Amino acid sequence: SAVISQKPSRDICQRGTSLTIQCQVDSQVTMMFWYRQQPGQSLTLIATANQGSEATYESGFVIDKFPISRPNLTFSTLTVSNMSPEDSSIYLCSVEGTATSSYNEQFFGPGTRLTVL
Amino acid sequence: QKEVEQNSGPLSVPEGAIASLNCTYSDRGSQSFFWYRQYSGKSPELIMSIYSNGDKEDGRFTAQLNKASQYVSLLIRDSQPSDSATYLCASTGNQFYFGTGTSLTVIP
Repeated sequence: SAVISQKPSRDICQRGTSLTIQCQVDSQVTMMFWYRQQPGQSLTLIATANQGSEATYESGFVIDKFPISRPNLTFSTLTVSNMSPEDSSIYLCSVEGTATSSYNEQFFGPGTRLTVL
Repeated sequence: QKEVEQNSGPLSVPEGAIASLNCTYSDRGSQSFFWYRQYSGKSPELIMSIYSNGDKEDGRFTAQLNKASQYVSLLIRDSQPSDSATYLCASTGNQFYFGTGTSLTVIP
């Protein structure tokens, strides 16, 4: 499977600020996704990052709060804007459609643990 | 109704026993099914994929799929304390759906 890295791995931020999370894959992938995972909860899909066009957001998530970029087939960023303590969570990048994967398998990056004070 | 449902557990089994994890899905159009293992503080790791009815074995893991009953299971033979984790079931048709996960504890 692809090697996926995320930066930063963790951060502590002040209310009202923004944080940009980077996701880098070591090979080209078809699809990239951003998830959020609250402590003790399952995964919630935020959006699909589309290469060369606007991201596709799930219900409850908006572009102004979570702007996403995907400039090429190996890189994406998620920004958490105007943060509040409710945004404290783990943010995960996942990819689908690697050279060696099949049948829509998704592989996850190591995650970014965000704490908002 | 959730697209993918799992018993949240917790499930406890003694070391060496068989752990059985179950999952049901609602979308009959789902094509592919996956089991992920997630250790505390870590991201989900894909451990099994299954696409056809029947069993698929990989080492100590066996995934079972029954599309008529819309049921997927994961058996872990000779359970080890290192298998203690949360196991997430997922399906994909038009969209990827995750279950809420089952917490497994293997007791030495």
